[in-house]
Amino acid sequence: EADIYQTPRYLVIGTGKKITLECSQTMGHDKMYWYQQDPGMELHLIHYSYGVNSTEKGDLSSESTVSRIRTEHFPLTLESARPSHTSQYLCASSDEGRVTNEKLFFGSGTQLSVL
Amino acid sequence: GDSVTQMEGPVTLSEEAFLTINCTYTATGYPSLFWYVQYPGEGLQLLLKATKADDKGSNKGFEATYRKETTSFHLEKGSVQVSDSAVYFCALSYNTDKLIFGTGTRLQVFP
Repeated sequence: EADIYQTPRYLVIGTGKKITLECSQTMGHDKMYWYQQDPGMELHLIHYSYGVNSTEKGDLSSESTVSRIRTEHFPLTLESARPSHTSQYLCASSDEGRVTNEKLFFGSGTQLSVL
Repeated sequence: GDSVTQMEGPVTLSEEAFLTINCTYTATGYPSLFWYVQYPGEGLQLLLKATKADDKGSNKGFEATYRKETTSFHLEKGSVQVSDSAVYFCALSYNTDKLIFGTGTRLQVFP
């Protein structure tokens, strides 16, 4: 049902590298989100966007940055990866205008490991 | 602030057993409540939801009732299957566009 794609699925890199996690959706959704899922499974909102050129920081402080130049694309960038960035990153989108009917569509996630 | 508390896992059951995963919430108003499921190697999927007190959400044999008096939204299923093995997340959305998730509960069902 969900047409939201994340790449890569797995990424192992060395400390100090710059990386970009890709997220694309083909549903025309205005709202997009990035969640970080730690090994204990808890999900934390790190970024969100309500549309093109709109980006906001979430509840959990993150050294990553995001951009929203096109509706369908919401990439997340780490300028200099560190081992503390090792985590699962989940992208989501929603086109629900009313809060009480909020429904998120999630991508399959990117598992990032920084050595 | 608003928060969601779930019972710790893993929950380990035999096939056809009865399932309960507890979820309670703290909110200053009247949030909508959700259960999401994450199957191995996949993203989260909405399982069911309830938007006001006494509403019952149901899907795929799972049920949860929004209990305002006990601030709870416990997930239940009468007879679990091996294919139900996954991580289950309780969540609320209150007056914002963002979901607040619980820590997740892993369910393992054995034949």
